[in-house]
Amino acid sequence: DQQVKQNSPSLSVQEGRISILNCDYTNSMFDYFLWYKKYPAEGPTFLISISSIKDKNEDGRFTVFLNKSAKHLSLHIVPSQPGDSAVYFCAASGTSYDKVIFGPGTSLSVIP
Amino acid sequence: DAEITQSPRHKITETGRQVTLACHQTWNHNNMFWYRQDLGHGLRLIHYSYGVQDTNKGEVSDGYSVSRSNTEDLPLTLESAASSQTSVYFCASSETRAGETQYFGPGTRLLVL
Repeated sequence: DQQVKQNSPSLSVQEGRISILNCDYTNSMFDYFLWYKKYPAEGPTFLISISSIKDKNEDGRFTVFLNKSAKHLSLHIVPSQPGDSAVYFCAASGTSYDKVIFGPGTSLSVIP
Repeated sequence: DAEITQSPRHKITETGRQVTLACHQTWNHNNMFWYRQDLGHGLRLIHYSYGVQDTNKGEVSDGYSVSRSNTEDLPLTLESAASSQTSVYFCASSETRAGETQYFGPGTRLLVL
């Protein structure tokens, strides 16, 4: 049973619009969440993270929102650019958890 | 610049053969991880190490082994390759145990015939 879920395998967005990628988790022990971005034939790279003591973290065009009661987080990309086209992995961990659990990923396509 | 490298980048082997995938990092990180990436499953943890001589099993460790004799390297061995082990393998390292940023290698694409 997947502890970190990304229910949309793919998403297509027009350039300049907002991209919203969603992630749900089941384990209430998770208290730290990360988003990684992956281009074809490359390894994933860290994008942004959020601790459970916050409900929002922003870095340039990227904002992550956390709703602990719903066990849900989302990544917003505004404005979306063609270079944002990649697979995005949501990941979760915790202070009492010695591993990072990754979701299955969402493939984002930003159309020029 | 510090980096993490994997070799080979592509490998074709036959069922039953032993295969070793190399991972080398120059970050001087104590923590190293091996993942496999398969469609619909994302990244699944195979084995991990928190330091020299330390190794631990992840969620999909059957058929794989690792050893850690120094800080820089964590080779992954498939003892008897199976077609189900066809996948893309990623090595990663991090400065702290869990929850912190992991730095990934470029991946090894393995095909078992």
